[in-house]
Amino acid sequence: DVKVTQSSRYLVKRTGEKVFLECVQDMDHENMFWYRQDPGLGLRLIYFSYDVKMKEKGDIPEGYSVSREKKERFSLILESASTNQTSMYLCASSLIRGRAVYEQYFGPGTRLTVT
Amino acid sequence: GEDVEQSLFLSVREGDSSVINCTYTDSSSTYLYWYKQEPGAGLQLLTYIFSNMDMKQDQRLTVLLNKKDKHLSLRIADTQTGDSAIYFCAETSQTGANNLFFGTGTRLTVIP
Repeated sequence: DVKVTQSSRYLVKRTGEKVFLECVQDMDHENMFWYRQDPGLGLRLIYFSYDVKMKEKGDIPEGYSVSREKKERFSLILESASTNQTSMYLCASSLIRGRAVYEQYFGPGTRLTVT
Repeated sequence: GEDVEQSLFLSVREGDSSVINCTYTDSSSTYLYWYKQEPGAGLQLLTYIFSNMDMKQDQRLTVLLNKKDKHLSLRIADTQTGDSAIYFCAETSQTGANNLFFGTGTRLTVIP
């Protein structure tokens, strides 16, 4: 079974702090993704990565950065946390999309509260 | 731009059928997907439909696709309390071939 783990289920940080969210997958997937989930807005893509040391901006990258030094690990960084970054953060991974059905595998999420 | 719309909430009684609707914009999607998010968990692929199909049935689940109207629906027969979850439809994103664009999600509540 594919397993995607996230470093924390719940996190509380203060405004201005630097925040690291870690995600690890154990299936040698090339692709990794960071989303945020907010009520009424669904999932919005923050950043994604197709390979080690490679990153691409998603739909809402402002205020975030990412790091992928190893294939299995994708980190989301909030350089200076703000209250509007209070949200649920979901990490996902997948194989390179081919002709078959394409599936992303999700971690359980990190609920981040910025006070 | 992309837009995948769903109603936010649906309540049904246990044993009834549930129908969750979705409208999407990208007619080039090869597959369209339904993901399920149970309380406290991440999303899991529930089912999918190939874009040249009108209907797909999988046990209690029926997916209907109307390409002309860009409308996708998920019907759950004999809805159970364990079906209470958030359901997301998704299409291939225009930002990348490996990206999915998710709808807003429909929270299904099953009343015993």
